[in-house]
Amino acid sequence: DVKVTQSSRYLVKRTGEKVFLECVQDMDHENMFWYRQDPGLGLRLIYFSYDVKMKEKGDIPEGYSVSREKKERFSLILESASTNQTSMYLCASRINTGELFFGEGSRLTVL
Amino acid sequence: GENVEQHPSTLSVQEGDSAVIKCTYSDSASNYFPWYKQELGKRPQLIIDIRSNVGEKKDQRIAVTLNKTAKHFSLHITETQPEDSAVYFCAASTEEYGNKLVFGAGTILRVKS
Repeated sequence: DVKVTQSSRYLVKRTGEKVFLECVQDMDHENMFWYRQDPGLGLRLIYFSYDVKMKEKGDIPEGYSVSREKKERFSLILESASTNQTSMYLCASRINTGELFFGEGSRLTVL
Repeated sequence: GENVEQHPSTLSVQEGDSAVIKCTYSDSASNYFPWYKQELGKRPQLIIDIRSNVGEKKDQRIAVTLNKTAKHFSLHITETQPEDSAVYFCAASTEEYGNKLVFGAGTILRVKS
């Protein structure tokens, strides 16, 4: 079974704090993704990576950055958290067959 | 860029009835259309997908149809059961393996027993 693990299920941070969300997959997948899920807006792609140290912007990259130093790990960074970044963040990975395997999600609240 | 609209936003059906969720997309170059199911508190999971060279695909009680001319695709669930209750997301991509999947807003399906 593919396993995508997100380090934190729930986080509460203050405005202006730096936030790290970490994601690890155990299936040697080349591609990894960070999505944001908000009610009524579906899943929106923030960033994705198709190889180590490679990254591409998704549809809503503003206010976020990513890091992929190792194949199995993809981190999402909020340099200075803001209240409008309160959301559910979903990490996903896949090989080149189309199916995305998602993590359990990290629910971030920014106060 | 691609835009995917999904309707309805909520759908209530009686157990045993059929449910249909429809999506339209804007980019005629899109060629990969998956559907994901997300149960309450769980991760989204792929339930079925279709590529542009196929008009219909079926897997037991679920089926997806694609109309490339009209740029819409639909999910059909027959003989609904309470465990079908979930949020369903459609998505579209212009790349063969869906690197940049654009998702619809989701449909909350409630199956009443």
